Amino acid sequence: AQKVTQAQTEISVVEKEDVTLDCVYETRDTTYYLFWYKQPPSGELVFLIRRNSFDEQNEISGRYSWNFQKSTSSFNFTITASQVVDSAVYFCALSEASTGGFKTIFGAGTRLFVKA
Amino acid sequence: DAGITQSPRHKVTETGTPVTLRCHQTENHRYMYWYRQDPGHGLRLIHYSYGVKDTDKGEVSDGYSVSRSKTEDFLLTLESATSSQTSVYFCAISDLAGSQTQYFGPGTRLLVL
Repeated sequence: AQKVTQAQTEISVVEKEDVTLDCVYETRDTTYYLFWYKQPPSGELVFLIRRNSFDEQNEISGRYSWNFQKSTSSFNFTITASQVVDSAVYFCALSEASTGGFKTIFGAGTRLFVKA
Repeated sequence: DAGITQSPRHKVTETGTPVTLRCHQTENHRYMYWYRQDPGHGLRLIHYSYGVKDTDKGEVSDGYSVSRSKTEDFLLTLESATSSQTSVYFCAISDLAGSQTQYFGPGTRLLVL
């Protein structure tokens, strides 16, 4: 069965600190997708990144980077030099094949506070 | 941004009444989803649709039904609302099964008294 664990419920950092958000997943499928979404205080859900199970390359996008390791079933997200605007709830998600398409399971989320 | 709207955006209702939430998309995407978001649970899938008249249950489908008679509309009905269904409801869409990036609507806040 699918499962996504975000063990960090809340993290508080001071601006310009680096912070890593952890995501551990469980799946029996060999084909699956992993995602990160951001939910700022305004409430909308913003897509950040998608990774498929065959692509273990790490990715960097500006201050954001993602580390995907199949050996440990982890897909961690690092924000470098955090800013107040990074304050949000971040969700990790896992999609695997199901009837008619894919089903997605979300982690419980990590709330990040970045203080000025 | 993907063209997804949800209506109503806010609703207050009483226990036992039926409630229908609407999700409308202008992207012609095949897949549509309804989630609920509750503190400590992240987003949980209620139902999803993989085509017109093709739907399936998610992990928390009890007390909910859905219908999709057109590509652009996906309706979520609470047959007899209960206080445990007080939540924020998000609709999402995605295009290809292989892509599966889901784009979310703005959400509907539902309060059941």
